[in-house]
Amino acid sequence: EPEVTQTPSHQVTQMGQEVILRCVPISNHLYFYWYRQILGQKVEFLVSFYNNEISEKSEIFDDQFSVERPDGSNFTLKIRSTKLEDSAMYFCASKPRQGGNYGYTFGSGTRLTVV
Amino acid sequence: DQQVKQNSPSLSVQEGRISILNCDYTNSMFDYFLWYKKYPAEGPTFLISISSIKDKNEDGRFTVFLNKSAKHLSLHIVPSQPGDSAVYFCAASPSGGSNYKLTFGKGTLLTVNP
Repeated sequence: EPEVTQTPSHQVTQMGQEVILRCVPISNHLYFYWYRQILGQKVEFLVSFYNNEISEKSEIFDDQFSVERPDGSNFTLKIRSTKLEDSAMYFCASKPRQGGNYGYTFGSGTRLTVV
Repeated sequence: DQQVKQNSPSLSVQEGRISILNCDYTNSMFDYFLWYKKYPAEGPTFLISISSIKDKNEDGRFTVFLNKSAKHLSLHIVPSQPGDSAVYFCAASPSGGSNYKLTFGKGTLLTVNP
């Protein structure tokens, strides 16, 4: 079964450093997402990406965040200057064009720890 | 602003019995609802969904019921198995637009005891 692959599984970084979280969505999917889950809290939407541009972003997704699909297969989330409160599980997701929410698939996540 | 609420943080049931997980929502624009199951250190896995034109959808041991007037949905698992032990998230999405953004509840930890 096709999978959304995320790397690394765990990243530890110092406050103020830049991090890049990587995702390989399912190959024929057209919509791409990042969500995050702070420990003990709900999964929160960060950003959606379609047709090579951001289609929607949440209040969390401020100027410190950016996304890129550099080569048609990878989908990356960059945090320019990490803060302690950025510590969370970050989930990438993708879905095909057809069928509403049908096929919405999540990766296993990257646990980001900012120290 | 909790647009999707799962008021029970945990639920414990005996193997073979029914598990009922509840979810309430406040946003009238939601018309597609999903249940995800999540094990530790894994991403959410799609379980079952329902659109607002239906009031019930069944898939094997899993049934989702939707009460639009009450803005309430529930997931029934019958019979419950120990392997069902996980966190269950209710999620909702509006129709229209093209983003299919999901709004999640906080999740309910289901424990099925042998």
